[in-house]
Amino acid sequence: GIQVEQSPPDLILQEGANSTLRCNFSDSVNNLQWFHQNPWGQLINLFYIPSGTKQNGRLSATTVATERYSLLYISSSQTTDSGVYFCAVPLSGGYNKLIFGAGTRLAVHP
Amino acid sequence: EAQVTQNPRYLITVTGKKLTVTCSQNMNHEYMSWYRQDPGLGLRQIYYSMNVEVTDKGDVPEGYKVSRKEKRNFPLILESPSPNQTSLYFCASSSYRGEQFFGPGTRLTVL
Repeated sequence: GIQVEQSPPDLILQEGANSTLRCNFSDSVNNLQWFHQNPWGQLINLFYIPSGTKQNGRLSATTVATERYSLLYISSSQTTDSGVYFCAVPLSGGYNKLIFGAGTRLAVHP
Repeated sequence: EAQVTQNPRYLITVTGKKLTVTCSQNMNHEYMSWYRQDPGLGLRQIYYSMNVEVTDKGDVPEGYKVSRKEKRNFPLILESPSPNQTSLYFCASSSYRGEQFFGPGTRLTVL
């Protein structure tokens, strides 16, 4: 089945720093989602981005479907950005079943 | 507000005591599913439903039941919970092939 790999696994930032998270996937996909799991465990939708670039405030994402990767950019990080960031892609023929990467655990210190 | 709701958010129970976790969505989505999240194992799909009265097993269905009698609701039933079902549970919904939205999660502890 499709493999989803995220890097780096852990990231520590000082408040105000920028970062790039990467998601590689092993097969072609028709969509990709980025989520933020906050310290309370909630999964927050960040982006639904099959291809191209989207921006939402300090966050932006780019998916290059032909090269099978997606990037999540966090600019001017804040302590509230802490948590785990997941990318997920649907399993082909899997009726919207999402395959999640292992996540990038981000800690932003003041 | 478009959302997926789950109840209860937290539950501590004992082995063998039947329980139901409710899930409801107000986006008229056809597709709903349940996942569990465990340390080191990530999120794994338990059951999914393509529409009313259509359900199927995911990757880890043992010990769980579901039903889809109405489009908006997709309850997860544990007939006889065991400690290995202690986990963080998420309900999700989407239109077919569309963006998935997750509920806030239910932390279940089975003693």
